[in-house]
Amino acid sequence: GENVEQHPSTLSVQEGDSAVIKCTYSDSASNYFPWYKQELGKRPQLIIDIRSNVGEKKDQRIAVTLNKTAKHFSLHITETQPEDSAVYFCAAHNQAGTALIFGKGTTLSVSS
Amino acid sequence: EPEVTQTPSHQVTQMGQEVILRCVPISNHLYFYWYRQILGQKVEFLVSFYNNEISEKSEIFDDQFSVERPDGSNFTLKIRSTKLEDSAMYFCASSEPGRGGNGELFFGEGSRLTVL
Repeated sequence: GENVEQHPSTLSVQEGDSAVIKCTYSDSASNYFPWYKQELGKRPQLIIDIRSNVGEKKDQRIAVTLNKTAKHFSLHITETQPEDSAVYFCAAHNQAGTALIFGKGTTLSVSS
Repeated sequence: EPEVTQTPSHQVTQMGQEVILRCVPISNHLYFYWYRQILGQKVEFLVSFYNNEISEKSEIFDDQFSVERPDGSNFTLKIRSTKLEDSAMYFCASSEPGRGGNGELFFGEGSRLTVL
């Protein structure tokens, strides 16, 4: 089955800096890669996703890149703000299955 | 905006007792899921459900777990004989028609289970 590795586990940045979180996946058939943000005590919420037919997607300060050959994808947050502080999870879904498999999460702390 | 709702928000139970967690998915969604998150850890897949049957399940979803869609709206997770290690937040999720797991999962707010 799919295995998703995520790093770093914690990331501390100054407000205004960029943050990058990286994930690798094992199943070459995977074709959908979302990123979820989870604030303390809350549910995970989708912030951006990418499908295997594109290499990059951007939404304001957030971007995701995908390298299918290397089987890795990354989340980029520019101009970070204190409200970006949360746990971020990457996930991958394979074409054959119905499950979305999550990475272990990255705790992002943005200090002002 | 429609959302997934879960009850109870928090349940405390004694080890060995049965627990039922309830979920109402978004009304036009066809795929339903249960995930588990032990405090401070990752979101773990338990089971997916489509067309009134289990589509996929993880190794965590052993014989003590079962799911059911008893009517047109509810989707339940039953834990037959709870263990201490079942203490976690349980999230229900659903996804849009035609998407399966290949689209956004809409999560409920979770049911926190504490087993004493």
